[in-house]
Amino acid sequence: SAVISQKPSRDICQRGTSLTIQCQVDSQVTMMFWYRQQPGQSLTLIATANQGSEATYESGFVIDKFPISRPNLTFSTLTVSNMSPEDSSIYLCSAWAGGEQYFGPGTRLTVT
Amino acid sequence: AQSVTQLDSQVPVFEEAPVELRCNYSSSVSVYLFWYVQYPNQGLQLLLKYLSGSTLVKGINGFEAEFNKSQTSFHLRKPSVHISDTAEYFCAVGGNDYKLSFGAGTTVTVRA
Repeated sequence: SAVISQKPSRDICQRGTSLTIQCQVDSQVTMMFWYRQQPGQSLTLIATANQGSEATYESGFVIDKFPISRPNLTFSTLTVSNMSPEDSSIYLCSAWAGGEQYFGPGTRLTVT
Repeated sequence: AQSVTQLDSQVPVFEEAPVELRCNYSSSVSVYLFWYVQYPNQGLQLLLKYLSGSTLVKGINGFEAEFNKSQTSFHLRKPSVHISDTAEYFCAVGGNDYKLSFGAGTTVTVRA
């Protein structure tokens, strides 16, 4: 199993600024992911965070907007850059371990 | 590529009545199937999963689901719901890359 924590749990940011979200897993995992859940919507995969190489982004998401780091097998960060109100969402980190995908509690971001 | 269709956006149900939430998927490869629950203002919790083996899967809180490969379905059932089952339910499909595609979600409202 895996227990995932995220920081911050929530934040209110001004447009044009950037926020870095941290994700910590309590065990070493190969596969880590970042998802976005817009208000009242389902989850959409942003990217796969690869250890030792660049993240792999899904269609509609780009590195300049959502840079991701994965320095080791237990930690990843997602930065939301040059924020606009449309970026207001819950951002979730997840990890695949033992045949199951575990999710962090999410970071609730509000952009004003 | 995988995709998921949850056929019911909202399901109102009386307490102690049975409930079924329908989920159909499309995929060109072998799949892993999941049901997650999200209580108001909380994170995602895994209800159950199908990776292989028996097509009838039992999960937490009295939920079960049946994988039907010919009909590409993975419907979730509970024989008797409680008020506390009021939540958003997400069906998700994953493949060998461990990325998950989520359905739009089904809102279950249990009334006394």
